[in-house]
Amino acid sequence: KNEVEQSPQNLTAQEGEFITINCSYSVGISALHWLQQHPGGGIVSLFMLSSGKKKHGRLIATINIQEKHSSLHITASHPRDSAVYICARNQFYFGTGTSLTVIP
Amino acid sequence: EAQVTQNPRYLITVTGKKLTVTCSQNMNHEYMSWYRQDPGLGLRQIYYSMNVEVTDKGDVPEGYKVSRKEKRNFPLILESPSPNQTSLYFCASSLYPPGWGNQPQHFGDGTRLSIL
Repeated sequence: KNEVEQSPQNLTAQEGEFITINCSYSVGISALHWLQQHPGGGIVSLFMLSSGKKKHGRLIATINIQEKHSSLHITASHPRDSAVYICARNQFYFGTGTSLTVIP
Repeated sequence: EAQVTQNPRYLITVTGKKLTVTCSQNMNHEYMSWYRQDPGLGLRQIYYSMNVEVTDKGDVPEGYKVSRKEKRNFPLILESPSPNQTSLYFCASSLYPPGWGNQPQHFGDGTRLSIL
């Protein structure tokens, strides 16, 4: 059983929409990571969270330690945001990813 | 530029023909690891290395070998590849192991391997 669950698995949005991707995990963490994987490309680290909220440009990541839940938000989405977003608990346990497509 | 370099990026080969996927990092990282990524399963760790000459099995090590003779290189070896090893492979490195100071891992661009 995967210890990290993501939802939704697939997401299609119109350019400009506000997007939320969710991640739940079953046991405690030292850090929750959000990664981005572009088609045909490698994986880059977006955020590393152990509490609260982090913001980088149009991306915001939040975490609720008590509820064992994290969200990744994208404001004013753009086609270049189209990618697979992966959350990982302690960088050992990875979710299966959320495939995001942003349509112009 | 700090990077993890994998080669080749793509490989199609046949069952039983030994192959090596190379991985090199230029950040003087101590920790390196190999993952495979399959649809619906997420990234799964194959092997990892805490430092030179120190390697250990991850979650799915069967059919794979690794070596860490130098700090920068961590090749993945498939002695007798089989079709169930067809997958997308990623090498990653970090200064410390995941969970130790929470340094982010740096990933290579991936190697897409097809075993016929």
